[in-house]
Amino acid sequence: AQKITQTQPGMFVQEKEAVTLDCTYDTSDQSYGLFWYKQPSSGEMIFLIYQGSYDEQNATEGRYSLNFQKARKSANLVISASQLGDSAMYFCAMREGNSGTYKYIFGTGTRLKVLA
Amino acid sequence: DTEVTQTPKHLVMGMTNKKSLKCEQHMGHRAMYWYKQKAKKPPELMFVYSYEKLSINESVPSRFSPECPNSSLLNLHLHALQPEDSALYLCASSSGLRFGEQFFGPGTRLTVL
Repeated sequence: AQKITQTQPGMFVQEKEAVTLDCTYDTSDQSYGLFWYKQPSSGEMIFLIYQGSYDEQNATEGRYSLNFQKARKSANLVISASQLGDSAMYFCAMREGNSGTYKYIFGTGTRLKVLA
Repeated sequence: DTEVTQTPKHLVMGMTNKKSLKCEQHMGHRAMYWYKQKAKKPPELMFVYSYEKLSINESVPSRFSPECPNSSLLNLHLHALQPEDSALYLCASSSGLRFGEQFFGPGTRLTVL
């Protein structure tokens, strides 16, 4: 069964607008971590934001915020004030396992295009 | 220093060649990972070296073999590869603790002829 689901293969957003990238997950663990990564065409994976399952507040990092709804098992990424440089592939990932043997599972990604 | 370095950046090899990919981190992380990523697909975990213990994705063929000379280095040895092994190979490291995010290197673009 797919553990990380990103239902939007591609998204467009106008420059300076906000955009939400969807991510739902499936796990039976009580303790887990959720991550978002950005991958430009150069290929490097850039860490954006992290949300722990026990964190009560939604994570924020600059223009990135994570809308965490634990009961619905969703962890959507919100990018505010989009910039042309935000055009990239975005992956949602979940860390599962036990301390010392963590593994990371990635969703299929959403390709975001910011329009001038 | 939050950098993971990978060498080489690009590699072209024939199916009979033996080559190695190198990954290095100096963040004191105890877990290192190799991923394979095909175009327009998510990274696929190949190997994890965590606290000196190797975990293998069972679907990875034996023509790929990892080696961890020390806690800062993780090599990936390649032998008798197939054209379908052409991909971006990403290395990552993490603290191995509950809240440690992965830091990725820039990747090696491998082409097998």
